[in-house]
Amino acid sequence: AQSVSQHNHHVILSEAASLELGCNYSYGGTVNLFWYVQYPGQHLQLLLKYFSGDPLVKGIKGFEAEFIKSKFSFNLRKPSVQWSDTAEYFCAVNPNNAGNMLTFGGGTRLMVKP
Amino acid sequence: DGGITQSPKYLFRKEGQNVTLSCEQNLNHDAMYWYRQDPGQGLRLIYYSQIVNDFQKGDIAEGYSVSREKKESFPLTVTSAQKNPTAFYLCASSRRGYDIQYFGAGTRLSVL
Repeated sequence: AQSVSQHNHHVILSEAASLELGCNYSYGGTVNLFWYVQYPGQHLQLLLKYFSGDPLVKGIKGFEAEFIKSKFSFNLRKPSVQWSDTAEYFCAVNPNNAGNMLTFGGGTRLMVKP
Repeated sequence: DGGITQSPKYLFRKEGQNVTLSCEQNLNHDAMYWYRQDPGQGLRLIYYSQIVNDFQKGDIAEGYSVSREKKESFPLTVTSAQKNPTAFYLCASSRRGYDIQYFGAGTRLSVL
């Protein structure tokens, strides 16, 4: 069965530090890739997505992610985090032969200290 | 405003009781989903429906049931057969095809 791994379960950073959250998946075919974010008390919302084309994807709030096919990875990055980035981040994968089905990683809880 | 409405926000279940979680969307989406969120396990798919009057089991359907009588509505029943129902339940919807899923605010279910 396909799986999505987020190796960092909890991350604590100070403001202005750089962020990289890891995401690896096990599916070998063509995939669509997503990062979702869940701010405290808010809906899960889309941060960015990769369907095809440029493997470096830019999303909202200064986030970006790079798809590296050879490594089955889709890591999320931000050069300088803010206190307001405190949230839980979920990587998700949709194989192109699975309709709209998403498989989610276990999530990474990020805390940014002011 | 277009979106997904889940109710109630908090729900308590007694032993042996069935409870139903509501999910309504006004986005005119064909597909709807139910996920269960547990700490450290991400979101796991319970049931999904691509069209009205049709639905399929997800990865953890045991102890749950759904119906899809209307395009806008996809209620989830947590039956007494679900022995560990305490979790955060999220409903989502999307257009048919390879697309983005939109989520509701969730229902937190606890057992008394």
